[in-house]
Amino acid sequence: EVQLVESGGGLVQPGGSLTLSCAASGFTFSNVWMSWVRQAPGKGLEWVGRIRSKAAGGTTDYDAFVKGRFSISRDDSGNTLYLQMNSLKTEDTAMYYCVREPHFDYWGQGTLVTVS
Amino acid sequence: DIVMTQSPLSLPVTPGEPASISCRSSQSLLHSDGNTYLDWYLQKPGQSPQLLIYLGSNRASGVPDRFSGSGSGTDFTLKISRVEADDVGVYYCMQATQTPYAFGQGTKLEMK
Repeated sequence: EVQLVESGGGLVQPGGSLTLSCAASGFTFSNVWMSWVRQAPGKGLEWVGRIRSKAAGGTTDYDAFVKGRFSISRDDSGNTLYLQMNSLKTEDTAMYYCVREPHFDYWGQGTLVTVS
Repeated sequence: DIVMTQSPLSLPVTPGEPASISCRSSQSLLHSDGNTYLDWYLQKPGQSPQLLIYLGSNRASGVPDRFSGSGSGTDFTLKISRVEADDVGVYYCMQATQTPYAFGQGTKLEMK
């Protein structure tokens, strides 16, 4: 059974940092591209960024609002995806989901980040 | 960047009746590899989103055949042939043809 379990969310002050983790199981994590998607309270879905598999170069792409503040990485030996977030703003308050590509066929339950 | 526009944003439906949601992109979603990367998701109340349709018209595993996706280029449609109570929630289209990926604003389907 495919599972994605996010952790690391919490309350952080503006300007602070936080690292989210996503533990993957039930599939060959190293072969898969992964994305992060966020959802502000009561709002729609917003793509944050993605990381390719190592075989595809392991490179990353981000939405412009990230502007160098966020960084996605992966640990294929530990089947874990990360989202390092720096210089957090109040508008980064959201539920953060890790999702499996292609087609976002599996989503985690999300981890809530509150910047206040 | 590609902008996705859904309509309507609110969709009251009588159970058993059909429903249709439109999704338009600001640029063609036809990729150079020949695929059109347009997906549909449903977020039920209190849950994570779930994949319904991928590549415009392919139902995801376990999705009832009441759901169908169609379209090409910049115009896409999600249809539900007979709405059931379990279909309530917010429906999103998303393009993954180019980064940044982009979601539509969401269409809230509710029962009349």
